[in-house]
Amino acid sequence: GAGVSQSPSNKVTEKGKDVELRCDPISGHTALYWYRQSLGQGLEFLIYFQGNSAPDKSGLPSDRFSAERTGGSVSTLTIQRTQQEDSAVYLCASSPGGLALQETQYFGPGTRLLVL
Amino acid sequence: AQKITQTQPGMFVQEKEAVTLDCTYDTSDQSYGLFWYKQPSSGEMIFLIYQGSYDEQNATEGRYSLNFQKARKSANLVISASQLGDSAMYFCAMSLYSGAGSYQLTFGKGTKLSVIP
Repeated sequence: GAGVSQSPSNKVTEKGKDVELRCDPISGHTALYWYRQSLGQGLEFLIYFQGNSAPDKSGLPSDRFSAERTGGSVSTLTIQRTQQEDSAVYLCASSPGGLALQETQYFGPGTRLLVL
Repeated sequence: AQKITQTQPGMFVQEKEAVTLDCTYDTSDQSYGLFWYKQPSSGEMIFLIYQGSYDEQNATEGRYSLNFQKARKSANLVISASQLGDSAMYFCAMSLYSGAGSYQLTFGKGTKLSVIP
């Protein structure tokens, strides 16, 4: 079956511009996660969705970052007024329920964002 | 604060040999999960193996096994009979209840494994 997909795969933008990153989770997965991976680093949690609501936004680094999820499916991560330090790979993951310790998260290929 | 430590930035292994990738974790929680993911150059994170904190036996999945030593807080990944396709970044991660309605994964910085023909 289809895995998690993300678009665009690469995005180059100028400092100060807004960007939107899209994630299409595995069909039927109610839990959706966004992570950020800076060069040579592990993954940093950003936000978690259960259905259309986001009970855990604790990882968003600033108010320039926001995310929404509609129809319990597609999610969009928006970064406003991008800064050079926002350059990273943004990874999306989904899991069936999100309510169990042992539940595996399935990742998409990521969006590589470069802010010039 | 919870954290994951992977002390080997890079490792080399001869094809067909076994290799151990180290992971130590730090948490005061009794209930947690430990995951290993593989990230090839394509960028996608691929789930390899899971170990729960209450599991008494070490997890195994094909050529992958997890050497879980709870008292030492270590969860090392063992890859047997290495193949050229095993060359990738490997991440250890810990799952804990965040208290905000989710089980968060906390990742280590990874180990880059290179398999030599």
